[in-house]
Amino acid sequence: DVKVTQSSRYLVKRTGEKVFLECVQDMDHENMFWYRQDPGLGLRLIYFSYDVKMKEKGDIPEGYSVSREKKERFSLILESASTNQTSMYLCASRPGTSTDTQYFGPGTRLTVL
Amino acid sequence: GEDVEQSLFLSVREGDSSVINCTYTDSSSTYLYWYKQEPGAGLQLLTYIFSNMDMKQDQRLTVLLNKKDKHLSLRIADTQTGDSAIYFCAESKRWGGSQGNLIFGKGTKLSVKP
Repeated sequence: DVKVTQSSRYLVKRTGEKVFLECVQDMDHENMFWYRQDPGLGLRLIYFSYDVKMKEKGDIPEGYSVSREKKERFSLILESASTNQTSMYLCASRPGTSTDTQYFGPGTRLTVL
Repeated sequence: GEDVEQSLFLSVREGDSSVINCTYTDSSSTYLYWYKQEPGAGLQLLTYIFSNMDMKQDQRLTVLLNKKDKHLSLRIADTQTGDSAIYFCAESKRWGGSQGNLIFGKGTKLSVKP
């Protein structure tokens, strides 16, 4: 079975803190993604990575950075958290094969106070 | 544009059929997807259809694809309260070579009344 895990289900941080969201997949997938989900806006792609140490900006990369040092792990970093980054963060992975099917983790609900 | 559009809400009675509709924009999309999100959870892949197919059936789920109108639908037969969730339509979009990303609609919240 495909398994994508995220380090926390719920997280509360203060404005200005540095925040790390971790995502791990155990399927040897090449591609990994970070989305944020907000009511009425659906899923928006923040960053993705198609290989170790490679990253590409998605639709809303401002205020975020990512790290992919190992194939199975993709980290999302909020350098200085702000209240408008309160959201549900979803990680996904995808094998480098013919379909574009993505497999999602359970999500991290981040609240920035 | 690149918007995938779907209505935001649908309410049905238990035992009825649900039909969730979606329109997409990219006629070159190879695959089209339906994902389900239960409250507080991540997205779960329900089914997908290859763009050269018109229909795909999987137990209570039927996917219909009208490529000419760029219209995708998901029919859930005999809808149960456990089907209450948000359903996302997604199309695949090539960004380079063989790499593809998914463009998601905003999701349709299905409420099933007993």
